[in-house]
Formats: sequence, structure tokens, C-alpha cells
Amino acid sequence: DQQVKQNSPSLSVQEGRISILNCDYTNSMFDYFLWYKKYPAEGPTFLISISSIKDKNEDGRFTVFLNKSAKHLSLHIVPSQPGDSAVYFCAAQWSGGYQKVTFGTGTKLQVIP
Amino acid sequence: ETGVTQSPTHLIKTRGQQVTLRCSSQSGHNTVSWYQQALGQGPQFIFQYYREEENGRGNFPPRFSGLQFPNYSSELNVNALELDDSALYLCASMINGGTSTDTQYFGPGTRLTVL
Repeated sequence: DQQVKQNSPSLSVQEGRISILNCDYTNSMFDYFLWYKKYPAEGPTFLISISSIKDKNEDGRFTVFLNKSAKHLSLHIVPSQPGDSAVYFCAAQWSGGYQKVTFGTGTKLQVIP
Repeated sequence: ETGVTQSPTHLIKTRGQQVTLRCSSQSGHNTVSWYQQALGQGPQFIFQYYREEENGRGNFPPRFSGLQFPNYSSELNVNALELDDSALYLCASMINGGTSTDTQYFGPGTRLTVL
């Protein structure tokens, strides 16, 4: 039962353009959402998060949007840079319990110079 | 550089054997979680330890067990290895300040292959 879904295994974007990575979730208990970035041979690195009381959170070039009614979130990277090429994992958790984080299957982003 | 290290980097075992994977967290990180990442999948939560006690577990059988030590190191033990246990094993540590949304810092992982 995949509670966090990333339906696009890969995405290619030209340098300087916008990258949009999408994520859907099914568990209504989730109220805190995160994006992680993973380079080969490294562990995932926290990128940005959003609480369910918000619909947008911005950090520099990265913005996460949350649509609770659709159980959908997206990560926007503007402008995209070659160094952004990595696997991006969407993750979700319930803030009322211990930190059991449920991850999606990841989207591999390639930013073409 | 997250300050979280794992050993060994790679490991090959045969079915039925037992394995111990190790993780060293940053000083002061009182919480450690372990994840299994199969090929093409996202990390799956195995369990979490807080101040040397298990305080949460995912859908993994009892042959997956762990220990956390006062020196901020921890272990993941897997008994009776099966072929499907082949995966990347990640540990993640954090300071549990009472907020369940504290940031986790991941190590680079141990790649386990079961033949």
C-alpha cells in the first residue's frame, strides 16, 4: 500500500527553467510533508518542508505547494541549475506521533546545461 | 556532510546468515531511525530508538532488531537473512527536542547484498 506516490520516475529540464515535481498521498492523518534530495552514494538530505496548516512554503529557489483537498503537493525549483540533478523524494508524517516518515519512490531530476 | 556515518559501506552475505550494520550519529542526537531502501523504491521505515529504547516500528518482522548506545552509536541486526533483504540500509539521527517534526540527518547507507 503506497501511501505516498510520485508518479513520475524521471524529469528532464533545461537549465534556467522551472522544475515541477509532483507527489500525491492517501493517508489523511499525514499533516507534515517534506522533500529530500539524494545524490548517488549519499544519504537523503532534507530540502524543505510544509505543515498542513499552510499551503505554501518558500526557501530561496525552492517552493513547496500543498493542496490538502486534493492530497497533492508539488516542489518547484526556479531557476533550475545543473547541481539540482538528483533524486527527489517526497515524504510525509503525522506530527502527533513518533517520527515515522513515509517516503515516495522518488523522481530523478536531470537539469540539462 | 551530515556528521552521520555508517559501516560497512558494502556487505555481501548468504541466505540464512546474520548481519550487523552500524551507525554513528552526531553528538547530542538522542534519536536514531533505520530505513530500508530497495532498488527503485523510497526508504521504508524499520524502527526508531530514543534514548536507547525502541519507540516505534514499521512493518518489519522481529528478525530485524536494533540497539542504541549512550555514545550516540547504534546497530541494526538482521537474522536469518533472505534474498529480499538485499537493499540499501540508511540510518537517520536527530535531536528530539519534543517536536515530532525535528529534522533527520541521514548517513550514506550500507549496501547489503544477500546471495
